[in-house]
Amino acid sequence: EIVLMQSPGTLSLSPGERATLSCRASQSVSRSKFAWYQQRPGQAPRLLIYGTSNRAPGIPDRFSGSGSGTDFTLTITRLESEDFAVYYCQQFGSYSQTFGQGTQVEVK
Amino acid sequence: QVQLQQWGAGLLKPSETLSLTCAVHGGSLINHFWTWIRQSPGKGLEWVGESDHRGGINYNSSLVGRVTISVDTSTNQFSLTLTSVTAADTAVYYCVRRRGYDDGWGSYYKYIDVWGKGTTVTVSS
Repeated sequence: EIVLMQSPGTLSLSPGERATLSCRASQSVSRSKFAWYQQRPGQAPRLLIYGTSNRAPGIPDRFSGSGSGTDFTLTITRLESEDFAVYYCQQFGSYSQTFGQGTQVEVK
Repeated sequence: QVQLQQWGAGLLKPSETLSLTCAVHGGSLINHFWTWIRQSPGKGLEWVGESDHRGGINYNSSLVGRVTISVDTSTNQFSLTLTSVTAADTAVYYCVRRRGYDDGWGSYYKYIDVWGKGTTVTVSS
């Protein structure tokens, strides 16, 4: 099973600042099978990025994804109030899928 | 726009069977993968398993033997059954739609694009 490690666990930033979230896999992951999700309190996660760098419909362009192999990054260029939430990475193998443990982006 | 409506018992005793159902509104079960994800404070987000409408099924290896996912195209619903539950099965359970497609350029994409609201299941004596 591929293990995904997200860092940092918590990111304390102010609105307008840039957020850089990291996800490292225990073995190489296919770019087309890597995604990022946002979860706000009391809500289900929602898709932000699929295929490493493709924004889901309706996702603002301040969100971007990059990476390959074992290292992937989610960048939020200018944090807005609704962006303070928990972010999860996910990879899909042939017969299973795993999530990272999450990065909480909180107001500094 | 596809929406998922889920329901099922929220309080179980150890050794009982968890049963959840998810109705798909605004779309067909065909050509997608129907998945259950659970979330607990201790284990985070955990994939339970998935099925397509033809019976192509994959389960989390840690749950094999206890878990069954079935898809019913006649009712546009899919369901989760988990037997012999313990406190470790306490979680919020989400039904979701997992997309899978070939872009024609050699890449096969997989991602979850629709989530149900979640059902809290507590296992306690």
